[in-house]
Amino acid sequence: EVQLVESGGGLVQPGGSLRLSCAASGLTFSSYWMSWVRQAPGKGLEWVANINQDGGEKYYVDSVKGRFTIYRDNAKNSVYLQMTSLRAEDTAVYYCARGPSYFHDWGQGILVTVSS
Amino acid sequence: QSVLTQPPSVSAAPGQKVTISCSGSGSNIGNNYVSWYQQLPGTAPKLLIYDNNKRPSGIPDRFSGSKSGTSATLGITGLQTGDEADYYCGTWDSSLSVVVFGGGTKLTVL
Repeated sequence: EVQLVESGGGLVQPGGSLRLSCAASGLTFSSYWMSWVRQAPGKGLEWVANINQDGGEKYYVDSVKGRFTIYRDNAKNSVYLQMTSLRAEDTAVYYCARGPSYFHDWGQGILVTVSS
Repeated sequence: QSVLTQPPSVSAAPGQKVTISCSGSGSNIGNNYVSWYQQLPGTAPKLLIYDNNKRPSGIPDRFSGSKSGTSATLGITGLQTGDEADYYCGTWDSSLSVVVFGGGTKLTVL
């Protein structure tokens, strides 16, 4: 059974930084694209970024380009989302998901709140 | 404003059939595969359909997907109260180089 477990969320002030982690198990992690998808309170899904198997190819939604960085460590079966210059509109539940453009497996989600 | 357009809500009686539409353009649905997700209240989304019409293992055949041109449709037959959830379509947009989702459709089983 595939398990994706996010960590690293919490409350951060506007302009601050946070790093989300996603630990994967039950799959050959290095064989799959991975993605981050977020959901603002009461809103729909918004894809944030994805990364290919070796980390050499990455894509981002325009609203986070230059502020967020996705990367992975295949030796640790983990994918990360480094978030800087955080804004109130980044407040959301962030999901780690397996796949490049459709998502077979999802984590439980982690809440990031950007507020002073 | 989502790139993909879904109706905000649909409803039907238990045992009936419902369809949820997802409208896009040539750069997304028109040239890429569509997926569908079910999100029950307070839980993570769950993949229902991928590659337009394929079901992951464990998804009952009450759920079906189709695509025609720049639109896609999710069908659910034999509605159950447990199907009450938000449903999202998604696909890759080749012009934007991003994954796009519909705004979501809330299904009510009356």
